[in-house]
Amino acid sequence: DTAVSQTPKYLVTQMGNDKSIKCEQNLGHDTMYWYKQDSKKFLKIMFSYNNKELIINETVPNRFSPKSPDKAHLNLHINSLELGDSAVYFCASSQVGGGSSYEQYFGPGTRLTVT
Amino acid sequence: RKEVEQDPGPFNVPEGATVAFNCTYSNSASQSFFWYRQDCRKEPKLLMSVYSSGNEDGRFTAQLNRASQYISLLIRDSKLSDSATYLCVVQGYSSASKIIFGSGTRLSIRP
Repeated sequence: DTAVSQTPKYLVTQMGNDKSIKCEQNLGHDTMYWYKQDSKKFLKIMFSYNNKELIINETVPNRFSPKSPDKAHLNLHINSLELGDSAVYFCASSQVGGGSSYEQYFGPGTRLTVT
Repeated sequence: RKEVEQDPGPFNVPEGATVAFNCTYSNSASQSFFWYRQDCRKEPKLLMSVYSSGNEDGRFTAQLNRASQYISLLIRDSKLSDSATYLCVVQGYSSASKIIFGSGTRLSIRP
């Protein structure tokens, strides 16, 4: 039983294309996140949604648009892909409050390569 | 000064050794602290939360020093399977607060 799943696992596409990555969690958590891990392995938060509401929006180009249709899903759509978007994108979820202290559970990652 | 700083390593230690990492943070208002481990080409996985009083989980001990603004992780009797990158994570007061991952410390355990 996968707690946090992402599709696709690998994505190879050309510059200028538009692509989406999907994320689903079956943990019943109320908060979901998108992270980007670049070639230097630095993990940086991009967005966070709590109960379908955007609560963290770091300095990310507006070509990146998250969408949360419900608490269990957080998708990431990227327009006009650029070479610099190549990275591993991780989705995560956590249960905020209730003593869980924002512990996050990560999906397996989507390795995006823009050519 | 970086918001969260870790020694990148690599730490290369023999099996059975004790190894300790520190992680410093710049925002004194930070409230939540964690250690994650990340294996090569895998996702980060929560190792342990760090509580004010310090906490232990088997061979792993985490400490928080608010006065000096650092957290530490001690691994005793290290195993080959402990080889990974260890990430410290710092978060502010609420769910809308910034979540900052350190750049990680690479640990390699040799037989």
